Amino acid sequence: ETGVTQTPRHLVMGMTNKKSLKCEQHLGHNAMYWYKQSAKKPLELMFVYNFKEQTENNSVPSRFSPECPNSSHLFLHLHTLQPEDSALYLCASSQNSPTTETQYFGPGTRLLVL
Amino acid sequence: GESVGLHLPTLSVQEGDNSIINCAYSNSASDYFIWYKQESGKGPQFIIDIRSNMDKRQGQRVTVLLNKTVKHLSLQIAATQPGDSAVYFCAENTSAGTGRRALTFGSGTRLQVQP
Repeated sequence: ETGVTQTPRHLVMGMTNKKSLKCEQHLGHNAMYWYKQSAKKPLELMFVYNFKEQTENNSVPSRFSPECPNSSHLFLHLHTLQPEDSALYLCASSQNSPTTETQYFGPGTRLLVL
Repeated sequence: GESVGLHLPTLSVQEGDNSIINCAYSNSASDYFIWYKQESGKGPQFIIDIRSNMDKRQGQRVTVLLNKTVKHLSLQIAATQPGDSAVYFCAENTSAGTGRRALTFGSGTRLQVQP
């Protein structure tokens, strides 16, 4: 185990549903990330939080809404998704320093949008 | 966690052989590199890292080589085992000039170990 947990592990939702993905890290890290991994593209960075502040949003559609209440928890709120949003959503955390940024990943949430 | 639709380069080796997975990185300013392993149904798992002031670093059964001249990184796995079958990603870490660092992932290589 990497010290990063994600729930649920699998999720099926309709396009009109609202759901949330949860990530928790037990590593004492100060940064957390959401990535999307789909069948047709490499790993795509979605959001970055440093010390609970969002520092990066890689042109992600507004139907994805992140929330970081503290440095250990990260949520991804989903609403009115499209079938092309079906993918593996990965959470990661790191302890940023001036010289390194090794990210540790959770197991992911496999999302299917019908 | 496999990129089924993505055309990943595939390396097929016999159990017990050594494996070499290659990666070309793009940013000459990158100063820290990481190899990840992703098994089916799991998230990427940290394997080994190397800083740009080093050419080689060894771990348990794995060795990473860095050639900054040609911006090339390789992962060598000794005595490959069936459990090594996975997709392997390299990642480069660069200072973004804003006080934070950015991690850029490659598209991955699939390693298949034949028994």
